[in-house]
Amino acid sequence: NAGVMQNPRHLVRRRGQEARLRCSPMKGHSHVYWYRQLPEEGLKFMVYLQKENIIDESGMPKERFSAEFPKEGPSILRIQQVVRGDSAAYFCASSPPGVNYGYTFGSGTRLTVV
Amino acid sequence: TQLLEQSPQFLSIQEGENLTVYCNSSSVFSSLQWYRQEPGEGPVLLVTVVTGGEVKKLKRLTFQFGDARKDSSLHITAAQPGDTGLYLCAGDHGGGSNYKLTFGKGTLLTVNP
Repeated sequence: NAGVMQNPRHLVRRRGQEARLRCSPMKGHSHVYWYRQLPEEGLKFMVYLQKENIIDESGMPKERFSAEFPKEGPSILRIQQVVRGDSAAYFCASSPPGVNYGYTFGSGTRLTVV
Repeated sequence: TQLLEQSPQFLSIQEGENLTVYCNSSSVFSSLQWYRQEPGEGPVLLVTVVTGGEVKKLKRLTFQFGDARKDSSLHITAAQPGDTGLYLCAGDHGGGSNYKLTFGKGTLLTVNP
């Protein structure tokens, strides 16, 4: 009964490269949420996805960031042409459909841009 | 921007002491959640409170949601080193966006043996 699985745990990218972060939700969960935790900041909502649909991407930067949750496979958060300011911990959470009474978060991916 | 202010930002106490941490906002939340986060890990849900004035107990932890649903507190009795961590509160404004949580920056608690 695995929880929310994120990989890689740590990712180092040079400026200008692409970063791909993966999230496999808990079994039976069809809703995925991505949050970002910048140093000295609280977690910030980025995007909410259901299978094959982006429900709310109001927290995503307008450029370079994209997310998907295909019918098969994990959810992917993609950051193109990374910059130093993208260095952060990225967390994924999942839930079954319905009212949110608390998320199960993954362990996160710590992205470092050098 | 509806902010959640947590206080204190840092707290260092001795094992066996009691403590209270606070989470305050100027806006009303539909529900409020408390999480604990350890270094290198994701937040782990402790409790969700949804009714103004609600009190929930989880072993030595007592959570209270303010009557006006704008604030919350977490009280720990007889703290233990295993309670060490970053305590985060997060609220949602209900309706169609109840999935979108606003997080505070957290209280970093250190319990010394």
